[in-house]
Amino acid sequence: DSGVTQTPKHLITATGQRVTLRCSPRSGDLSVYWYQQSLDQGLQFLIQYYNGEERAKGNILERFSAQQFPDLHSELNLSSLELGDSALYFCASSVGQGAIGDTQYFGPGTRLTVL
Amino acid sequence: DAKTTQPNSMESNEEEPVHLPCNHSTISGTDYIHWYRQLPSQGPEYVIHGLTSNVNNRMASLAIAEDRKSSTLILHRATLRDAAVYYCILRGTSGTYKYIFGTGTRLKVLA
Repeated sequence: DSGVTQTPKHLITATGQRVTLRCSPRSGDLSVYWYQQSLDQGLQFLIQYYNGEERAKGNILERFSAQQFPDLHSELNLSSLELGDSALYFCASSVGQGAIGDTQYFGPGTRLTVL
Repeated sequence: DAKTTQPNSMESNEEEPVHLPCNHSTISGTDYIHWYRQLPSQGPEYVIHGLTSNVNNRMASLAIAEDRKSSTLILHRATLRDAAVYYCILRGTSGTYKYIFGTGTRLKVLA
């Protein structure tokens, strides 16, 4: 158990819909990272927040957005869902901004299925 | 971002050592080598990281070539619980701190 929690575990929805994935980092961790893992693309970094501010951006689509709240939990919002958005979404957290030695701890993931 | 190359899959017998190779010929002087593993149905898990010297921890050892163009993750005694996908990742010390995951090596441990 990494200490990172993600809800829900599974999510099934239809194309065109909007969903919100939630992540609670480990106690004391200030950074939250979001990753997408699909069969054809592997693990892809989406976005990082550090203490409420966006810190780094990866291959995140414009239909996706994220935020980190004052209590440091984070939400990933996915809208206008397409079949290709079906994937595992992982959240990770770390103590600092992600520098060397700042280990990322991953949650168990949310499996999103778009029908 | 510098890229890594790993074999798609490897097999090992239980309780034998396993050497997982990683090539990173375009590594820069400030890139650290990180290893993560992903057990079935779980998120990735940190294993070890290093810069130039060999590193040991309770999970594994990391052997880094003198020219740093390759490295090897060593599991000293593989167990069935070590069956996972192992990712070798390079991370720089400046700019964004994102991990770039490759395709990894799927390790199968035979009883």
